[in-house]
Amino acid sequence: KNEVEQSPQNLTAQEGEFITINCSYSVGISALHWLQQHPGGGIVSLFMLSSGKKKHGRLIATINIQEKHSSLHITASHPRDSAVYICAVRNTGNQFYFGTGTSLTVIP
Amino acid sequence: GAGVSQSPSNKVTEKGKDVELRCDPISGHTALYWYRQSLGQGLEFLIYFQGNSAPDKSGLPSDRFSAERTGGSVSTLTIQRTQQEDSAVYLCASSLWAGLYEQYFGPGTRLTVT
Repeated sequence: KNEVEQSPQNLTAQEGEFITINCSYSVGISALHWLQQHPGGGIVSLFMLSSGKKKHGRLIATINIQEKHSSLHITASHPRDSAVYICAVRNTGNQFYFGTGTSLTVIP
Repeated sequence: GAGVSQSPSNKVTEKGKDVELRCDPISGHTALYWYRQSLGQGLEFLIYFQGNSAPDKSGLPSDRFSAERTGGSVSTLTIQRTQQEDSAVYLCASSLWAGLYEQYFGPGTRLTVT
């Protein structure tokens, strides 16, 4: 049983489309993280959330603690957004559980 | 400023040998995390340090794995008697403090056990 489930696993979009990636989790958490990993590249932390909503440029992350669900939205998607997006949750003991990632390809 | 650095970037070793992987966190970051990413699989949390202490070692895959951190800075992850299933990218991250702070990831060490 995975503590963190992401959907979809793979996503292809046309440039300019609005994209949503979903994350559901089953453990009690102190925070949820969205990470980005480019092919052959390192990992970058995009957001850390414990409640509500955060926005950085074209990226928006929301979390609903009661429903144990988070979404990552990308507005006006661009080919440079092509990457694997990973949802991770931190429990109160500072242990992390990771989703398997969503591979996003944005086509020009 | 300098980010998180890891060495070596690549390591090929024979089955049964011991390996040491090193992580240099961002200066001033008190929390340090080790993760593993196996080919075709997701990220796996191994261990974290707050200062020099590791409150919970239960994420380490087996007793062949150990990690230490001295001086609140550099950390080493040691794998004894390596097995082929240990082949993975080992990632290190640091943050200002363990808890609700952003993590900054290193480039990883790709370990291949032949």
